[in-house]
Amino acid sequence: QVQLVQSGAEVKKPGASVKVSCKASGYTFTGYYMHWVRQAPGQGLEWMGWINPNSGGTYCPQNFQDRVTMTRDTSITTAYMELSSLTSDDTALYYCARSITPDPWGWFDPWGQGSLVTVSS
Amino acid sequence: QSVLTQPPSVSGAPGQRVTISCTGSSSNIGAGYDVHWYQLLPGTAPKLLIYANRKRPAGVSDRFSGSKSGTSASLAISGLQAEDEADYYCQSYDTTLSGPWVFGGGTKLTVL
Repeated sequence: QVQLVQSGAEVKKPGASVKVSCKASGYTFTGYYMHWVRQAPGQGLEWMGWINPNSGGTYCPQNFQDRVTMTRDTSITTAYMELSSLTSDDTALYYCARSITPDPWGWFDPWGQGSLVTVSS
Repeated sequence: QSVLTQPPSVSGAPGQRVTISCTGSSSNIGAGYDVHWYQLLPGTAPKLLIYANRKRPAGVSDRFSGSKSGTSASLAISGLQAEDEADYYCQSYDTTLSGPWVFGGGTKLTVL
């Protein structure tokens, strides 16, 4: 079955970077865009951007453009999201989610289980 | 501040029907873009409940239904069960700098 398995929890200091991985299985990895979404404690879902696993092309909304880097390794069907210059506001559960269609415009299904990132001095 | 507005919480007794609203604007739902709904349970991956306004994925109970009109959409849950207690989020496209993908602020459903 289609499955996304994410890396484990991380604790980082302010100013550091974090890299979260998302291992895909059960489908053609390069055939579907991958999105990243986060949920801060007590807050709603926030979309962070997408990556085209085939070309490596990415897009982020304006508020993440300077700090988010999305990459992929097609040989191990894994997508990565790196967030830099961390602050306490970046403490959140980070999810990867696959587009249901071979473009970025489909709804998200399935989702990974989430990776908790805690930023604390 | 989320681009799509949802009530923070709703509640209902077992067996009852509840609705969760998702209010947008002319840059998202009102522009004709589809609305999708997700269920978040603690410790589990978010689950797609409704896509393209009113369609249910295979395996989702027919107790869940969606609708859309104008700049708003709604998720209805009938025959409430204890297992429905979760957070629910709507999603749509948005043509402003927040998008193109935007979510509602989420609604906590409590089954009394």
